[in-house]
Amino acid sequence: DQQVKQNSPSLSVQEGRISILNCDYTNSMFDYFLWYKKYPAEGPTFLISISSIKDKNEDGRFTVFLNKSAKHLSLHIVPSQPGDSAVYFCAASTGNQFYFGTGTSLTVIP
Amino acid sequence: NAGVMQNPRHLVRRRGQEARLRCSPMKGHSHVYWYRQLPEEGLKFMVYLQKENIIDESGMPKERFSAEFPKEGPSILRIQQVVRGDSAAYFCASSPGVGAGVSETQYFGPGTRLLVL
Repeated sequence: DQQVKQNSPSLSVQEGRISILNCDYTNSMFDYFLWYKKYPAEGPTFLISISSIKDKNEDGRFTVFLNKSAKHLSLHIVPSQPGDSAVYFCAASTGNQFYFGTGTSLTVIP
Repeated sequence: NAGVMQNPRHLVRRRGQEARLRCSPMKGHSHVYWYRQLPEEGLKFMVYLQKENIIDESGMPKERFSAEFPKEGPSILRIQQVVRGDSAAYFCASSPGVGAGVSETQYFGPGTRLLVL
């Protein structure tokens, strides 16, 4: 039972444009949401998080939006850079257990 | 290096052997989590530990897999009598542990890639 879903396995974006990565979840008890970035042969690196009491959190080029009514989470990267090319995982938690999506592979084309 | 450490980075075992994966959490962190990533899949939760305690092992296969986090030393994920299907990347994460049931950011190690021949 996949409680966190990333329906787009891959995304290609031109350098300088906006990248939008999407994530849907089913459990209304989730209260904390995170995005991780992963390069091949490395562990996931924490990017940005958002608590369920907020609907937006911004950190530099990265903004996470949370729509609780739609159970939808998105990550916006603007402007996109070639170094952003990686697999992005969204995660949701209630308490200490995290549930991860299957990842979206982002390619930023120079 | 103040990050989460995992060793070995790569481990090759023959079917039936034992695999031991080690994880040292980030300094100051008292909570450890183990995840498994199969090819083309996301990370799957296996087990959550605090020092000398298993808090949640709901994602752990019931046979052959065990985990511990002793008072001293790293956390160990142990897989006995490995089979080919155990081949995967195993990631450890740690968090500060401000309180049970409190959501907090987990920081990941580089992973151990287990290959069972």
